[in-house]
Amino acid sequence: SYVLTQPPSVSVAPGQTATITCGGNNIGGKSVHWYQQRPGQAPVLVVYADIDRPSGIPERISGSNSGHTATLTISRVEAGDEADYYCQVRDSAGDRVVFGGGTKLTVL
Amino acid sequence: EVLLVESGGGLVHPGGSLRLSCAASGFTFNNYDFNWVRQAPGKGLAWISYITTSGTTMDYADSVKGRFTISRDSAKQSVYLLMNSLRVEDTAVYYCARSLGANPYVFDIWGQGTMLTVFS
Repeated sequence: SYVLTQPPSVSVAPGQTATITCGGNNIGGKSVHWYQQRPGQAPVLVVYADIDRPSGIPERISGSNSGHTATLTISRVEAGDEADYYCQVRDSAGDRVVFGGGTKLTVL
Repeated sequence: EVLLVESGGGLVHPGGSLRLSCAASGFTFNNYDFNWVRQAPGKGLAWISYITTSGTTMDYADSVKGRFTISRDSAKQSVYLLMNSLRVEDTAVYYCARSLGANPYVFDIWGQGTMLTVFS
């Protein structure tokens, strides 16, 4: 089945830019979605279809996808951005929905 | 307010059964597909099941196929997950998640989750 690889952790100072990657074989040909999960809370969709944001998600959160890597970028990081972030795609074979292992974003 | 509220979690022995419920409110229930996603303690997210608007098409992850059954009741605006032959490895928080409009593989609304513990 399709595998999505994320770094376990990313650290960034407040006001800086956080970049969270999601690697997969030719992931650029898939539609990638990203979820934010704050401690003790349910996941929240923050980016879908590579680059789109649901209503209420700030513009400083953005996504991109090309080649073998999709990327979630959070600009002007705030303490409230500290959370686990998961990428997700549809897999046409095996389990129909695949999540990456998650990346813990720490705001220093 | 758009809400999904799960219930039915608890403590079960291996081999036991349990039914989870997900009550929807604040939107037109019949217009959306639904999913169950679980998260084992300290682990990541794992999709386990999906049901279409009509309730006639369902899908399951290999890890639960043949043991879990998803269903929905439009009159009660609820989605259910019947879990049989439970295993210790089924221990997790179970989330109900709504599919985003025309894209069934994007989950735009999540419930708060219900915890299932399978212990011997």
